[in-house]
Amino acid sequence: NAGVTQTPKFQVLKTGQSMTLQCAQDMNHEYMSWYRQDPGMGLRLIHYSVGAGITDQGEVPNGYNVSRSTTEDFPLRLLSAAPSQTSVYFCASMTTKKYGYTFGSGTRLTVV
Amino acid sequence: AQTVTQSQPEMSVQEAETVTLSCTYDTSESDYYLFWYKQPPSRQMILVIRQEAYKQQNATENRFSVNFQKAAKSFSLKISDSQLGDAAMYFCAYRSTNFGNEKLTFGTGTRLTIIP
Repeated sequence: NAGVTQTPKFQVLKTGQSMTLQCAQDMNHEYMSWYRQDPGMGLRLIHYSVGAGITDQGEVPNGYNVSRSTTEDFPLRLLSAAPSQTSVYFCASMTTKKYGYTFGSGTRLTVV
Repeated sequence: AQTVTQSQPEMSVQEAETVTLSCTYDTSESDYYLFWYKQPPSRQMILVIRQEAYKQQNATENRFSVNFQKAAKSFSLKISDSQLGDAAMYFCAYRSTNFGNEKLTFGTGTRLTIIP
């Protein structure tokens, strides 16, 4: 099993550009989520999904879109990148049959 | 909404000594999970230990143990016999047991340095 796979690992965007961060898991986990990590602020929830076709907003959703068409995939879309979106992004998945989250290796995004 | 507070931005410990990282949280729920995650320079988030609120016994995993004080809403992590590989950011996290509210709420982290 690959676990949670995030791509790309690094990305530089210009202000106003759009892009999609990919996240895939092969563990048949129902629950998937996106976090951003900023210095001194821990990890903050952007969007999450409790199953295919169901998504909801987290703590910091503005400027991001998600969709969950399959159990495996949960892409995060930046609509019009801004310097404030410079951060490290983590995708995580969990099965409600257990307790713990499995994290991807993260994407370091820089918006210039 | 739940909040998690880590009041020690940085800690250091001599190799082979013991160190305790503090975490407090606020919730109105009676059942929940608490976690400690380790983030080494590789950036990977690694689960260190978990505690279920309905269990009074403190969780232990080898050199890692917790002191869970439910009434005080305190959840500290003790690392015994510290090793150089323990150097990392450590995050405390809270998770509800309620369906549809399984998100993790993180503290701001404690950077642990191991002094050889």
